[in-house]
Amino acid sequence: EVQLVQSGAEVKKPGESLKISCKGSGYSFTSYWIGWVRQMPGKGLEWMGIIYPGDSDTRYSPSFQGQVTISADKSISTAYLQWSSLKASDTAMYYCARQRGTVTTGWFDPWGQGTLVTVSS
Amino acid sequence: SYELTQPPSVSVSPGQTARITCSGDALPKQYAYWYQQKPGQAPVLVIYKDSERPSGIPERFSGSSSGTTVTLTISGVQAEDEADYYCQSADSSGTVFGGGTKLTVL
Repeated sequence: EVQLVQSGAEVKKPGESLKISCKGSGYSFTSYWIGWVRQMPGKGLEWMGIIYPGDSDTRYSPSFQGQVTISADKSISTAYLQWSSLKASDTAMYYCARQRGTVTTGWFDPWGQGTLVTVSS
Repeated sequence: SYELTQPPSVSVSPGQTARITCSGDALPKQYAYWYQQKPGQAPVLVIYKDSERPSGIPERFSGSSSGTTVTLTISGVQAEDEADYYCQSADSSGTVFGGGTKLTVL
């Protein structure tokens, strides 16, 4: 069974750093793009970016470029999303998902269970 | 930036047909995909490449495309279909999601 398992919920203060993870299993982790999607409370889905774990090729949404860093460690089949200095506006649920199709015409299946990040002083 | 436009809400009675639209200028050139998201759960893919249905998705879910509009159709709606539905496509900058449509089963 193809599965993506994300790290647990986080509560952080503004200005702190954070790295959340997404571990893939049941498929060749290096052969598929992994995407990250933000969902702010009560809001819709926003695409943040994708990474190809095979060679770490990374693409960012213009809205998130410079705000987060996406990385992957193929030796442990894990992708990461990190912040160097969190803001209250980063409070959201973050999903990882495996991308099927091509890098420019792909769809997401399956999705991880989500990681809730709360940033509050 | 590129946008996909969905109606905020659609309401239907059980057994009726629900149609959720998604409009975008690039849709004649790019595939669309649909996701179902129930409260407190991660999204689930229900349609890919405009009209293909993944294994495990009930046959009552179907997709179609015409010009700049794609449509998710749910025939014989059941109470369990009440959820938020999102379309997804792409432009030169990457993936784009529609704003989502809340399907209410009356």
